[in-house]
Amino acid sequence: EAQVTQNPRYLITVTGKKLTVTCSQNMNHEYMSWYRQDPGLGLRQIYYSMNVEVTDKGDVPEGYKVSRKEKRNFPLILESPSPNQTSLYFCASRIGTVYNSPLHFGNGTRLTVT
Amino acid sequence: GQQLNQSPQSMFIQEGEDVSMNCTSSSIFNTWLWYKQEPGEGPVLLIALYKAGELTSNGRLTAQFGITRKDSFLNISASIPSDVGIYFCAGRRDNYGQNFVFGPGTRLSVLP
Repeated sequence: EAQVTQNPRYLITVTGKKLTVTCSQNMNHEYMSWYRQDPGLGLRQIYYSMNVEVTDKGDVPEGYKVSRKEKRNFPLILESPSPNQTSLYFCASRIGTVYNSPLHFGNGTRLTVT
Repeated sequence: GQQLNQSPQSMFIQEGEDVSMNCTSSSIFNTWLWYKQEPGEGPVLLIALYKAGELTSNGRLTAQFGITRKDSFLNISASIPSDVGIYFCAGRRDNYGQNFVFGPGTRLSVLP
């Protein structure tokens, strides 16, 4: 089954403790992206990647890092999480070379930073 | 950054009623997407629109890409309880651009 898989689904951590949220897709998509979702603000893009070893900032990149060493994986790294990064995070992917390819989303990771 | 506005923010309707919601922008977009999100799930694509004026249906759902390219609407006919969720619009300014901008969502509740 074609899907975007995020882990973990839920995560509670403390301020300053580094964490990584994994994202993997099995559709051979070039493009992958991370969003955060907060009430009343919709989905805001954190980082995106056009292909392996190519990443770029989205609208709200501060406090986050990403890497794209393999086509299928796009982990989101919080080096020193803070409470304002408490949010619902979504990974998404699409075919990067076709204009009419929509985004496919994972099921989300709910992060709480205390 | 760019913003999309969605209205209404939320709506309560009776089962069987038709629903209409829209999405507007101050900028021109070349792609409009409509997603539905249910509790505990990621957004799921409902309809994708790629040409101004395009009208596309998916079962009881119909969406249109506005002629001005600054808006889109989504209609749901004969609503049922499983239509409950948050509906998001997303736009992209150029055909090969990689950044989609999302609206804040319309929360739909269906009363039996």
